[in-house]
Amino acid sequence: GAGVSQTPSNKVTEKGKYVELRCDPISGHTALYWYRQSLGQGPEFLIYFQGTGAADDSGLPNDRFFAVRPEGSVSTLKIQRTERGDSAVYLCASSLTPTRLAGRTDTQYFGPGTRLTVL
Amino acid sequence: AQSVSQHNHHVILSEAASLELGCNYSYGGTVNLFWYVQYPGQHLQLLLKYFSGDPLVKGIKGFEAEFIKSKFSFNLRKPSVQWSDTAEYFCAVTPNNAGNMLTFGGGTRLMVKP
Repeated sequence: GAGVSQTPSNKVTEKGKYVELRCDPISGHTALYWYRQSLGQGPEFLIYFQGTGAADDSGLPNDRFFAVRPEGSVSTLKIQRTERGDSAVYLCASSLTPTRLAGRTDTQYFGPGTRLTVL
Repeated sequence: AQSVSQHNHHVILSEAASLELGCNYSYGGTVNLFWYVQYPGQHLQLLLKYFSGDPLVKGIKGFEAEFIKSKFSFNLRKPSVQWSDTAEYFCAVTPNNAGNMLTFGGGTRLMVKP
């Protein structure tokens, strides 16, 4: 079946502009995660959704970052007043359920990412 | 907060050499552990995972990892690498009593020379 998809694959914007990044999770997956990967580093957690609600947004760096998942499927990560330091690959992942069954975390399946470049 | 350290940033091996990539985490409680791989031009894929039980975990493509609780380690191994194993490898952890977010190490870039 189809995996996690993300659009656009590349986004170039100017400092101060607003951007939206979209994630389509695997059908039926109730949990959705956003991570950010800067050059030469591992992915860093931003936010995760359980259904429509943000269950944990502790990784969002500041209030310029916001994410929504209004119908419990597609999610949009929104960045206001972009800064050069926001340049990174933004990764989305989904898993079947967010809850732990017998101490096991459901496997997260990652999308290809959106490479954001802020000039 | 938990953290994950991958000691080797770049590793270069010849085909058929044995591989061991180090991963250490800092968290005092029970954890779930993962190795992900990213082949050139592709997205992150799960290699293997550990939840509980046998500390030696077998994954895809001949990879295995051993969880050593006393050392807070989860090293990845493969007895004989192939050129197609050239990729970046990420270790990740999630505490067993917290949310599902993964904490990743910085990654190890492996190049296998044919």
